[in-house]
Amino acid sequence: DAGVIQSPRHEVTEMGQEVTLRCKPISGHDYLFWYRQTMMRGLELLIYFNNNVPIDDSGMPEDRFSAKMPNASFSTLKIQPSEPRDSAVYFCASSLGRAGAKGEQYFGPGTRLTVT
Amino acid sequence: AQRVTQPEKLLSVFKGAPVELKCNYSYSGSPELFWYVQYSRQRLQLLLRHISRESIKGFTADLNKGETSFHLKKPFAQEEDSAMYYCALSGRPTPLRLVFGAGTILRVKS
Repeated sequence: DAGVIQSPRHEVTEMGQEVTLRCKPISGHDYLFWYRQTMMRGLELLIYFNNNVPIDDSGMPEDRFSAKMPNASFSTLKIQPSEPRDSAVYFCASSLGRAGAKGEQYFGPGTRLTVT
Repeated sequence: AQRVTQPEKLLSVFKGAPVELKCNYSYSGSPELFWYVQYSRQRLQLLLRHISRESIKGFTADLNKGETSFHLKKPFAQEEDSAMYYCALSGRPTPLRLVFGAGTILRVKS
C-alpha cells in the first residue's frame, strides 16, 4: 500500500483564487482527518469523517473552508476564496476503526500551500 | 479545555548527550498521550504512546498525572534523532480529535 496519497504536493496561488486539495486514504480505513500545520499554531485538526460522513468540523476556521468525502477513497478540502494567512501545510490522515483514538493515524505527505 | 504545551520550539544538543523534550497538558480526566515524530522529508508518524509503556528507538516517556506532563527522554542522542517532535493528547468526549502541541525541533549536533 502506498499509504495516504495527497495531491498536489505543492500549490502556489494568488489571493482570491479557489484552491482544492485532494486526499486518498489507505484502502479499508474508515476514518479520514484533515489537519493544518503552521509555525505559529502547530498541527490543528480541521475536520474528520467516518464512513464518508463529516463527524466533527469544529476546527474548520471559517466558511471559506469546506471539505467533502464523496466516497471511501477520496476527499477534498476546498478554500474559496484563498487568503495569504491560509498558507500552511495541509495533512490528510486516515485510520481504521477506533485505532485513531489510540494514536494510530496514518499521515499523508502533506500539501504545502502558498497564497500570495 | 484540552491543551498541549511544548515550551521549546528548538532543542539543540550534542551527539551522546541526554535529551528531554518537554510536554505538559491540560485535561480534566484520564487522557491518552502520544509522541509523534516527523523526520526530514518523511511523513508524520506515531513514535510511542503512554499506555504501551514501551521504548522506541531508545526513547521513553512517562505520564506524570501530578505534574500533568509527558516528557520524552533519551539517554544518549544520535544524529538520526534530529526531527520535529509533536506531543498529542486524546480524551473524551471526542477521543478521535487528537490535540497536538506546537512541536519541538530537535537538532543533534556532531
